[in-house]
Amino acid sequence: EIVLTQSPGTLSLSPGESATLSCRASQSVSSDYLAWYQQKPGQAPRLLIYGASSRATGIPDRFSGSGSGTDFTLTISRLEPEDFAVYYCQQYGSLQDTFGGGTKLEIK
Amino acid sequence: EVQLVESGGGLVQPGGSLRLSCTASGFNFSNYWMTWVRQAPGKGLEWVANIDEDGSDKYYVDSVKGRFTISRDNAKRSLYLQLKSLRAEDTAVYYCVRGLDPWGQGTLVTVSS
Repeated sequence: EIVLTQSPGTLSLSPGESATLSCRASQSVSSDYLAWYQQKPGQAPRLLIYGASSRATGIPDRFSGSGSGTDFTLTISRLEPEDFAVYYCQQYGSLQDTFGGGTKLEIK
Repeated sequence: EVQLVESGGGLVQPGGSLRLSCTASGFNFSNYWMTWVRQAPGKGLEWVANIDEDGSDKYYVDSVKGRFTISRDNAKRSLYLQLKSLRAEDTAVYYCVRGLDPWGQGTLVTVSS
């Protein structure tokens, strides 16, 4: 099983700032099959990024994904009030998908 | 519009069974891998199982192997998750997912005496 470790656990920033979220895998993620999700309270997760760097349909370009192998990053530039939520990474390149523990992005 | 609607959740005693269903609409169901993901109250996401397009390949997280069974009926555009020998730690909202997206609204399973 590939273990995904997300850091930091909580990130406190102000609107207008940029956020950098990290996702590190215990072994290389096959074909960079790494996705990022946003989840708000009481809602199902929403896909932001797939294939490590491709934005899902309708996702603003202030969200960007990068990385390969074992180290991946989600960057959110120019934070909007609606961006404050919990973010999860997921690898789907092995027979058993796994999720990271999540990063909570909160308003400072 | 692509839509996934889960049902079948509820309160069940430890050791009991439950069958979750997910009904799909708005897309060609038989063309997609389908996945179940769960989320315990106040916790993160946990991938549970997935199934390929025709139901021939199925994969499970180790903690549910031998207790949960994923299946599908393409004619009914439906995905299922049979839960047996339920434990308190299986308490969670169970989401149906088409591949990576979209997700259903989830159905709550509570295992408690």
